[in-house]
Amino acid sequence: ETGVTQSPTHLIKTRGQQVTLRCSSQSGHNTVSWYQQALGQGPQFIFQYYREEENGRGNFPPRFSGLQFPNYSSELNVNALELDDSALYLCASSGGTGPPSGANVLTFGAGSRLTVL
Amino acid sequence: AQSVAQPEDQVNVAEGNPLTVKCTYSVSGNPYLFWYVQYPNRGLQFLLKYITGDNLVKGSYGFEAEFNKSQTSFHLKKPSALVSDSALYFCAVSVYSSASKIIFGSGTRLSIRP
Repeated sequence: ETGVTQSPTHLIKTRGQQVTLRCSSQSGHNTVSWYQQALGQGPQFIFQYYREEENGRGNFPPRFSGLQFPNYSSELNVNALELDDSALYLCASSGGTGPPSGANVLTFGAGSRLTVL
Repeated sequence: AQSVAQPEDQVNVAEGNPLTVKCTYSVSGNPYLFWYVQYPNRGLQFLLKYITGDNLVKGSYGFEAEFNKSQTSFHLKKPSALVSDSALYFCAVSVYSSASKIIFGSGTRLSIRP
């Protein structure tokens, strides 16, 4: 089975720009969660997508948005980038045929490292 | 609101000695508890989880964790540390809901010296 793949692996943007990060979920998984991991910190939950709709959101402003596609892949979009958005963005897939559950194990990608100058 | 605390930023252990990485949690209701490990420039990898049942949970690479409801703790343990265990370890918690909103601690860097 294929794991979770994310692209790009690294990117540099300037303040005020917009960025799109992409994630392909593990085969058989129907749910995608996005996390932001700042340097030296634990991952912070951004949001989760199930059945192409947002299914839970953390404490992030609306300029963080996402999409999930029929093949369960997902995108994270960040508008009006700020310096504090510099971080490793992690995508994690989970689940199977049923709805998401707090008991599901997350399978993480290697992340996209965003630097905002 | 759910939260998880890892009181130690770093744990240093000699190879062959037992190791413990501490974790405490706060949730409303019955928790689901997880340990993940992160190697440099990599995503997080699942080690083990507690859902219900036996308080001692065994996971990958010889790690185990003990769920203690009265102390709201879920400490990670290994009887004999290896240098290859050196990595960043994250405790995480969630509750039963329709979302897999898993909340992570700040992480503990485990350093095993030869």
